[in-house]
Amino acid sequence: GAVVSQHPSWVICKSGTSVKIECRSLDFQATTMFWYRQFPKQSLMLMATSNEGSKATYEQGVEKDKFLINHASLTLSTLTVTSAHPEDSSFYICSLGGRGTDTQYFGPGTRLTVL
Amino acid sequence: KNQVEQSPQSLIILEGKNCTLQCNYTVSPFSNLRWYKQDTGRGPVSLTIMTFSENTKSNGRYTATLDADTKQSSLHITASQLSDSASYICVVSAPGAQKLVFGQGTRLTINP
Repeated sequence: GAVVSQHPSWVICKSGTSVKIECRSLDFQATTMFWYRQFPKQSLMLMATSNEGSKATYEQGVEKDKFLINHASLTLSTLTVTSAHPEDSSFYICSLGGRGTDTQYFGPGTRLTVL
Repeated sequence: KNQVEQSPQSLIILEGKNCTLQCNYTVSPFSNLRWYKQDTGRGPVSLTIMTFSENTKSNGRYTATLDADTKQSSLHITASQLSDSASYICVVSAPGAQKLVFGQGTRLTINP
């Protein structure tokens, strides 16, 4: 399977600041990238899907202006949480998908804590 | 609505014992079913993947079964180890669909 990295692995920020999380594929051309959010003791919740060359598609209830997604290349996607608030504190996980396959490779996740 | 239900919600067993986790799904049509292991504070790691035509798939001490007729799957863990303590998530996908349908997971704790 693909090797996926996320940076940072954890971040603490003050309320009102913006935080950028990177998701990189080290050995896989990801035509599709997914961003998930996971609250304690809950399963992963899909936030948005981004396909190469097009804007991200956000799930219902996810504010696109608050969670900015940039699918910069086939190996890099970034999620920026703008004007973060304590309720945005969560575990953010990216995953990569390839053309013609529904297999997803998950990153190790980023723990965001907003004070 | 496509759903994936897992049971039990949590499970505690002694090291060395076997256990079986259950997954029922209503996703239809169905493409494949995966079991993931997620350690606390980490991303999910794939254990097994089965298409609708497969009945069983093993990965070391992990054996997954699938009954596409009853829409049920199970994950059997043999000779459990302390490192098996994690959440186990059942994930189902539909043909051609990018989105995955996640179960809520089973939190497994292995005690020495």
